[in-house]
Amino acid sequence: NAGVTQTPKFRILKIGQSMTLQCAQDMNHNYMYWYRQDPGMGPKLIYYSVGAGITDKGEVPNGYNVSRSTTEDFPLRLELAAPSQTSVYFCASRVGGAGSPLHFGNGTRLTVT
Amino acid sequence: GQQLNQSPQSMFIQEGEDVSMNCTSSSIFNTWLWYKQDPGEGPVLLIALYKAGELTSNGRLTAQFGITRKDSFLNISASIPSDVGIYFCAGQVVETSGSRLTFGEGTQLTVNP
Repeated sequence: NAGVTQTPKFRILKIGQSMTLQCAQDMNHNYMYWYRQDPGMGPKLIYYSVGAGITDKGEVPNGYNVSRSTTEDFPLRLELAAPSQTSVYFCASRVGGAGSPLHFGNGTRLTVT
Repeated sequence: GQQLNQSPQSMFIQEGEDVSMNCTSSSIFNTWLWYKQDPGEGPVLLIALYKAGELTSNGRLTAQFGITRKDSFLNISASIPSDVGIYFCAGQVVETSGSRLTFGEGTQLTVNP
């Protein structure tokens, strides 16, 4: 198993541009999450999904959108990039809810200038 | 939202020393987890705690779930250079949609050989 795979690893965007961060997992996990992590801080939840076709907002959803058309993929969309969205983005997945460990990808480092 | 206070923010120790860090919350959690993050990577689960009062070990690591369900600590014994990294606590309320985790701000550990 490759686990949780995120692409790209790095990206620089200009203000106002849009992009999609890709996340795929091959563990047949139902639950998937997107976090952002700012320097010196813990990860903060942006959006999550408990299964294909179901998504919901986390703590910091403004400026982002997600979709979950398949179990494997959970892309995160930034429509109008802003400097405040400069961060490291982590995708994570788990097979179910409580008790199942959360598996993280290696992150996408995004800079908006 | 729920907030976790993690302390200390950073620690500088000599190889061989023991380390202790803790997390407190104003809210009750029914799962506590401890993660380690190496530079450029996603957090990796170290220990999961599911019951108040539970004490669990993983090699040189020991963690406890506080009786009040509002705190947890992590101890590392006989530290070695590869223990360097950022340690995060995370709390989970099982009944929340998606069994979302709330992360602490992290403890940056430096081990001098």
